[in-house]
Amino acid sequence: DQQVKQNSPSLSVQEGRISILNCDYTNSMFDYFLWYKKYPAEGPTFLISISSIKDKNEDGRFTVFLNKSAKHLSLHIVPSQPGDSAVYFCAAKETSGSRLTFGEGTQLTVNP
Amino acid sequence: DTGVSQDPRHKITKRGQNVTFRCDPISEHNRLYWYRQTLGQGPEFLTYFQNEAQLEKSRLLSDRFSAERPKGSFSTLEIQRTEQGDSAMYLCASSLAESGLAGSYEQYFGPGTRLTVT
Repeated sequence: DQQVKQNSPSLSVQEGRISILNCDYTNSMFDYFLWYKKYPAEGPTFLISISSIKDKNEDGRFTVFLNKSAKHLSLHIVPSQPGDSAVYFCAAKETSGSRLTFGEGTQLTVNP
Repeated sequence: DTGVSQDPRHKITKRGQNVTFRCDPISEHNRLYWYRQTLGQGPEFLTYFQNEAQLEKSRLLSDRFSAERPKGSFSTLEIQRTEQGDSAMYLCASSLAESGLAGSYEQYFGPGTRLTVT
């Protein structure tokens, strides 16, 4: 069963506009969430994270929102830049564990 | 900047052969993780170590797979009698054990080893 789902395989936005990437989860034991960015032929790079005790975390152009009741989180990138074009993965960690459970990824393309 | 390194970056092997991959974590990190990623999917957890102790193994880690971290520094992942279904990107990550009031659980990934079994 897919405990972390990213329902949009791809997203295309114009440079300077907002990119919104979405992620849904089913496991109520998840209490920490992370976003990673991946370029081809490289490993995932950590972007931003959020604990379940918060509903928002911001770092520069990147903001993550968590809606626990809906079991939904989103990553906002403002303004989007062509260098942001990559695959974005949502990941989650259970309260008692260390493993990360990843979604399938969303390919973001930012057009100049 | 000494991030996580993995060797080799690419490996092509014939079905039935054994392969071994190496991972060198960030030096001060005491946790080391192995994940596998296939096309169109996110990374899937295989196993992790805290120092030299292997603390968790996924059911994905069949008997043909073995991982070690003998001195609590680098780690090796061996696949015996490779099968075509083992073709994937094998990713290593490292982290500190959780710290701070809110906890810090970021894992930092290496570039991966791409395995192709023919």
